[in-house]
Amino acid sequence: ETGVTQTPRHLVMGMTNKKSLKCEQHLGHNAMYWYKQSAKKPLELMFVYNFKEQTENNSVPSRFSPECPNSSHLFLHLHTLQPEDSALYLCASSQFGGNIQYFGAGTRLSVL
Amino acid sequence: ELKVEQNPLFLSMQEGKNYTIYCNYSTTSDRLYWYRQDPGKSLESLFVLLSNGAVKQEGRLMASLDTKARLSTLHITAAVHDLSATYFCAENSGGSNYKLTFGKGTLLTVNP
Repeated sequence: ETGVTQTPRHLVMGMTNKKSLKCEQHLGHNAMYWYKQSAKKPLELMFVYNFKEQTENNSVPSRFSPECPNSSHLFLHLHTLQPEDSALYLCASSQFGGNIQYFGAGTRLSVL
Repeated sequence: ELKVEQNPLFLSMQEGKNYTIYCNYSTTSDRLYWYRQDPGKSLESLFVLLSNGAVKQEGRLMASLDTKARLSTLHITAAVHDLSATYFCAENSGGSNYKLTFGKGTLLTVNP
């Protein structure tokens, strides 16, 4: 596989469920990102990891918990979400300090 | 508050016509990105503009950057249906090389 791969592509969960989103990059990058894309709003940066260390938390509620075990994998653990958390969650990677971020296709999340 | 404003947000045009999408940003950043997103797909990098006066062209798309006016433009020449997509501009924010602030996107529909 090439590029940035996200699984699952679609996820429906109840407010009391716990689920995880997975992202894997095959580009040899050392920085990974989580973004939230909601209808009628700009893409919002959530978290940044550089060499497995979190370097940015953009005031994200604690019900979103990221994990980066190595430079190629990034997870977003979800628990007790709210309906307003329904959105497209995009993962991206880049060389840290590099020009271009490469995005995955996203996970479409619906919280019921 | 850092802002990136695109206009128009919706653009419907006929094949063969020309049009320009505008991107205004509020910081002194001199690095500006254009991305394309097809429905259900990831964001694809189109252009990176690194300095004042930069102009880049790929096929029917041409992007330019005026850092003094804090304005970037994406010009579409002789549009074809395959260009139908959502186009985002984004700029570096916070003085770092990795944090991007995105506009809301311009949904372009090219009609036969």
